[in-house]
Amino acid sequence: DQQVKQNSPSLSVQEGRISILNCDYTNSMFDYFLWYKKYPAEGPTFLISISSIKDKNEDGRFTVFLNKSAKHLSLHIVPSQPGDSAVYFCAAATTGNQFYFGTGTSLTVIP
Amino acid sequence: GAGVSQSPSNKVTEKGKDVELRCDPISGHTALYWYRQSLGQGLEFLIYFQGNSAPDKSGLPSDRFSAERTGGSVSTLTIQRTQQEDSAVYLCASSLGVGLSYEQYFGPGTRLTVT
Repeated sequence: DQQVKQNSPSLSVQEGRISILNCDYTNSMFDYFLWYKKYPAEGPTFLISISSIKDKNEDGRFTVFLNKSAKHLSLHIVPSQPGDSAVYFCAAATTGNQFYFGTGTSLTVIP
Repeated sequence: GAGVSQSPSNKVTEKGKDVELRCDPISGHTALYWYRQSLGQGLEFLIYFQGNSAPDKSGLPSDRFSAERTGGSVSTLTIQRTQQEDSAVYLCASSLGVGLSYEQYFGPGTRLTVT
């Protein structure tokens, strides 16, 4: 059973516009959420995270929003750049440090 | 500093053979995770080591899969009697551990192909 879901396998955005990547989860016990970025033939790299006690975390062009009542989080990238083209995974963690990853969304930023 | 390293980067093996995949975590990281990513799938959790505690093996798909972590550092994932469905990219990650940081640092992965 997939506890973390990314329902959009791909997304295309024009350079300079906003990219919004979405993620839904089912387990209300998750207390930490993360986004990872993955280039081909490389391991995922950490991008940004948010604790369940917050609803927003911002780091430069990247902002993560958490809506606990809807069990939904999203990653906003503004402005999008061609170098942002990659696969983005959302992940959720419990206090026991077990992680659950989504299936990823492939973002293409068109110059 | 050095990141997480994995070896080999690619492994092609015949069905029924055993394989060993190696992971060298970041020095000082007490937590180590193994995941696999099959084609078109997300990262599937396999096993988690935290310090000297018994590992969380709840994600291992069958008893053909096992892993050990020697001296709290290097880890080896062993797959016995490989099957074609074992073909995937196997990723290792390490982190500072429980209560310190959720952020995981991933290695580049080992691409396993079972023919």
